[in-house]
Amino acid sequence: GIQVEQSPPDLILQEGANSTLRCNFSDSVNNLQWFHQNPWGQLINLFYIPSGTKQNGRLSATTVATERYSLLYISSSQTTDSGVYFCAVRGSRGANNLFFGTGTRLTVIP
Amino acid sequence: KAGVTQTPRYLIKTRGQQVTLSCSPISGHRSVSWYQQTPGQGLQFLFEYFSETQRNKGNFPGRFSGRQFSNSRSEMNVSTLELGDSALYLCASSPQGTLHTQYFGPGTRLTVL
Repeated sequence: GIQVEQSPPDLILQEGANSTLRCNFSDSVNNLQWFHQNPWGQLINLFYIPSGTKQNGRLSATTVATERYSLLYISSSQTTDSGVYFCAVRGSRGANNLFFGTGTRLTVIP
Repeated sequence: KAGVTQTPRYLIKTRGQQVTLSCSPISGHRSVSWYQQTPGQGLQFLFEYFSETQRNKGNFPGRFSGRQFSNSRSEMNVSTLELGDSALYLCASSPQGTLHTQYFGPGTRLTVL
């Protein structure tokens, strides 16, 4: 299967700071999603972004498919942004399932 | 539209028992996928169903099985439970499969004693 690496594994920010989370993947993909997992375990869709750039409020994401990476930007972070951020990809060839990275645990302190 | 629902939300079983978990997808979605999340292994794909057919299966033993009904609702079953099966089991639905945005349910937290 596809290898998905996320960095950094842990991130601690002061409220109001900006951050960039990275997702590298080992093969070409036709689905890439970013999720936020809340403390109760619910995975919440942030972006469906197999290529290009999207923005939603304080969050934006960019995927450069040819270079096999995606970035999630969080601006003006808030304490409610705390949680684990996962990147998940589906390969263009082979298995139909999503492969998840190990996540970035973000803690925003007031 | 109502989101993906999973029942039960919490479950405690003992080794050797079997368990059935249920997932109701978003109305109109025909694809349901199941994932297991553990602290050690992270999020791992179990299987995907589309129009009552299993389209893909992850690397799990045969004790893990599933099915999908004509109304797209899905169940997964784990027989002869082991301690290592303790996990959060997540279900995701999408209109056509994993080429599309996946919407996840709240999960079922299974504890095996």
